[in-house]
Amino acid sequence: DTEVTQTPKHLVMGMTNKKSLKCEQHMGHRAMYWYKQKAKKPPELMFVYSYEKLSINESVPSRFSPECPNSSLLNLHLHALQPEDSALYLCASSQETLTDTQYFGPGTRLTVL
Amino acid sequence: SQQGEEDPQALSIQEGENATMNCSYKTSINNLQWYRQNSGRGLVHLILIRSNEREKHSGRLRVTLDTSKKSSSLLITASRAADTASYFCATWAGNTPLVFGKGTRLSVIA
Repeated sequence: DTEVTQTPKHLVMGMTNKKSLKCEQHMGHRAMYWYKQKAKKPPELMFVYSYEKLSINESVPSRFSPECPNSSLLNLHLHALQPEDSALYLCASSQETLTDTQYFGPGTRLTVL
Repeated sequence: SQQGEEDPQALSIQEGENATMNCSYKTSINNLQWYRQNSGRGLVHLILIRSNEREKHSGRLRVTLDTSKKSSSLLITASRAADTASYFCATWAGNTPLVFGKGTRLSVIA
């Protein structure tokens, strides 16, 4: 299984809502990533988990809270978001941290009203 | 910043033609990768070339790397409408996350 899955595919939320994005991989990868991508821009790294521990936080606002319950799952908890947070949120995984190839999920299209 | 810069930003060609896109970067790297992204979807890894390699092929893809010029090119031969996508180069310098370039949007017209 070489697939990274993400749910939901689309999410619309108000600025006072709390929601979560989920990511799952069953490739035995030990590194997982969250990226944010705005239209016509490259992915921007948000967080890196290595062996289920947060290893990189790219100065992301606290309204985004990552969680890695186990080696296969990665969550991104959202609270009090702003309209400018509307974007495509991509999850990725790799065999080890900061190595070669990353495998990306299809993304969650988030709209904040 | 190590961020790569793709050139051109957008490219439109006829089906069957070859498409060439370039990537320049600023610092020494361990490897350079190319990814494809169909509209609004996740990225798909295409090919990786290591810093000690000069050329690599995969199907209709040909990647070159010139470390002296800090540049790489991706050639797609005999393009198809299905090749329409954004293409990103990404550099890895070791002990740092991948850094993605700004991307080239390729349109292949049938």
